[in-house]
Amino acid sequence: AQSVTQLDSQVPVFEEAPVELRCNYSSSVSVYLFWYVQYPNQGLQLLLKYLSGSTLVESINGFEAEFNKSQTSFHLRKPSVHISDTAEYFCAVTALRGYQKVTFGTGTKLQVIP
Amino acid sequence: GAVVSQHPSRVICKSGTSVKIECRSLDFQATTMFWYRQFPKQSLMLMATSNEGSKATYEQGVEKDKFLINHASLTLSTLTVTSAHPEDSSFYICSARLGSGYEQYFGPGTRLTVT
Repeated sequence: AQSVTQLDSQVPVFEEAPVELRCNYSSSVSVYLFWYVQYPNQGLQLLLKYLSGSTLVESINGFEAEFNKSQTSFHLRKPSVHISDTAEYFCAVTALRGYQKVTFGTGTKLQVIP
Repeated sequence: GAVVSQHPSRVICKSGTSVKIECRSLDFQATTMFWYRQFPKQSLMLMATSNEGSKATYEQGVEKDKFLINHASLTLSTLTVTSAHPEDSSFYICSARLGSGYEQYFGPGTRLTVT
């Protein structure tokens, strides 16, 4: 079984400031890791994913996340946020093999302040 | 590519009635679809996994007679909330998986309000 912890339920940050959204996971098997973004009253959109290879993965809109196996973390970062980044962000994991059920964290609401 | 739609986007129904939510994969065939429920300010909770042509697998604590899932084709799964009650009010989200891959594609969600 896997679990995901997102310690910060809300993160307020000023526009153009950097941000880090934290994600830690636990699993007895190797996992894939994901970050999803959810805008109000919408479904989830995949932001980025780590499957294998380089531990630093990037999205097209400037977000990046780094897989740290020793710390079992997959923190999401952006050097300069925009108002349009205001949304809920969910970290998720799924086992490499087997049932492949996706386990989500509780989400972090990013509030970008003008 | 990999677009998933849900219908309706919002529905209001009276207590005791049933409501059906459709989930469609528009440009791919989904052998597996998932149904999630999301309470306000909380994460997604997996309700059931639906495989085309077979019975859905429900997560522990989810009443299968209340939440009927039908995956009749490779592009359509339906969730029927039977005898709905106000506590069933929630945001229901489906996702679809392409083949045996790891990635799920999510629908936009359905907001159910039971009065």
